[in-house]
Amino acid sequence: ELKVEQNPLFLSMQEGKNYTIYCNYSTTSDRLYWYRQDPGKSLESLFVLLSNGAVKQEGRLMASLDTKARLSTLHITAAVHDLSATYFCAVDINNQGGKLIFGQGTELSVKP
Amino acid sequence: GAGVSQSPSNKVTEKGKDVELRCDPISGHTALYWYRQSLGQGLEFLIYFQGNSAPDKSGLPSDRFSAERTGGSVSTLTIQRTQQEDSAVYLCASSRRTGGIYEQYFGPGTRLTVT
Repeated sequence: ELKVEQNPLFLSMQEGKNYTIYCNYSTTSDRLYWYRQDPGKSLESLFVLLSNGAVKQEGRLMASLDTKARLSTLHITAAVHDLSATYFCAVDINNQGGKLIFGQGTELSVKP
Repeated sequence: GAGVSQSPSNKVTEKGKDVELRCDPISGHTALYWYRQSLGQGLEFLIYFQGNSAPDKSGLPSDRFSAERTGGSVSTLTIQRTQQEDSAVYLCASSRRTGGIYEQYFGPGTRLTVT
């Protein structure tokens, strides 16, 4: 059974600090997605990672993918309050645009 | 352009009743997905439609759940004889192949409460 595991599940940070969220998955795939969800809202696509070694950055967020280790990371640099949200990674297990298997989500709270 | 829309946004129903949830995908998107989000189970895949191919129903939790997609566009998720454990937010997403990938765009969801 495919598992997608994120850690930590809860993260409380101070503004200005750096931190990394980890996403491990248990099957081969080179399609990994990161989404953001604000409370009461739907999911917003952040990054699409398509191959081993892929790295993408947007503002204070940077995502990377290591398909050999079956690991993706979402790195937060100099956190600000606006980044407070829940972050999900998701794996396309068939690499064909089918269903996504989601991690549990990481609830991030950035405090002043 | 318009994003994925879902209706109703909230639905409260009594146990045992049937409900229909609707999804309007982004125009031109060939693929449509249903997911369910609940506190206990996280985000779960339910069903996936791609063009004219047979849908992938592997995530439907029981035979009380069914979905159809008419004319390659609008989709309806039907839950028969609802149970309290069906209470969740039902999310629809759509995608199309762009640059070799299918990036899924999610709708706002339908919050279903079964009393």
